[in-house]
Amino acid sequence: DIQMTQSPSSLSASVGDRVTITCRASQSISSYLNWYQQKPGKAPKLLIYGASSLQSGVPSRFSGSGSGTGFTLTISSLQREDFATYYCQQSYSTPRTFGQGTKVEIK
Amino acid sequence: QVQLVESGGGVVQPGRSLRLSCAASGFTFRTYGMHWVRQAPGKGLEWVAVVWFDGSNKYYADSVKGRFTISRDNSKNTLYLQINSLRAEDTAVYYCARDGYDILTTSYHYFDYWGQGTLVSVSS
Repeated sequence: DIQMTQSPSSLSASVGDRVTITCRASQSISSYLNWYQQKPGKAPKLLIYGASSLQSGVPSRFSGSGSGTGFTLTISSLQREDFATYYCQQSYSTPRTFGQGTKVEIK
Repeated sequence: QVQLVESGGGVVQPGRSLRLSCAASGFTFRTYGMHWVRQAPGKGLEWVAVVWFDGSNKYYADSVKGRFTISRDNSKNTLYLQINSLRAEDTAVYYCARDGYDILTTSYHYFDYWGQGTLVSVSS
């Protein structure tokens, strides 16, 4: 199985900050990497697929990059509604594993 | 609009069985693969199982293999998860999710729509 490791596990940031979350795969997954946002008590929401493609309706302040084993999710200017937990997930092979999550909290 | 509505969760004793359902609407159900993903209280997301669009192939996480069975009824636009021999560690919110894919490449797959989740609590 492919292991996905996110860092950091949590971070504190202020509105307007630039935030970067990293995800590493235990083997190469090309660009088969997705990012999700989850708010408390809600289902996850797809943000980025194929490592860098923005899902329809997602604000352009979200962006993704990387390929192979290293990936990043960047929020260019953090908004209040962005405080949530973010997960990476690989779709290169089954089982479709997730990272452990990164909680973005208000500083 | 696409809707996925789970049902069937509840409080169950260890060793008992449960069947979860996911009613789909707003899209052509029979043309999409479907997944179950679960989340234990305060924990991260865990992929559980997938069934192909026509039910021809099914795959499971090692943690549930042999106890869980995923199935679908395309005539009823409904996805199922049969859970047997329930354990305390199966306590979680169970989500169904659609296996979306990039139309241009058809290579990239992702969970583009999710249900609201149904809570399964295993306790004596």
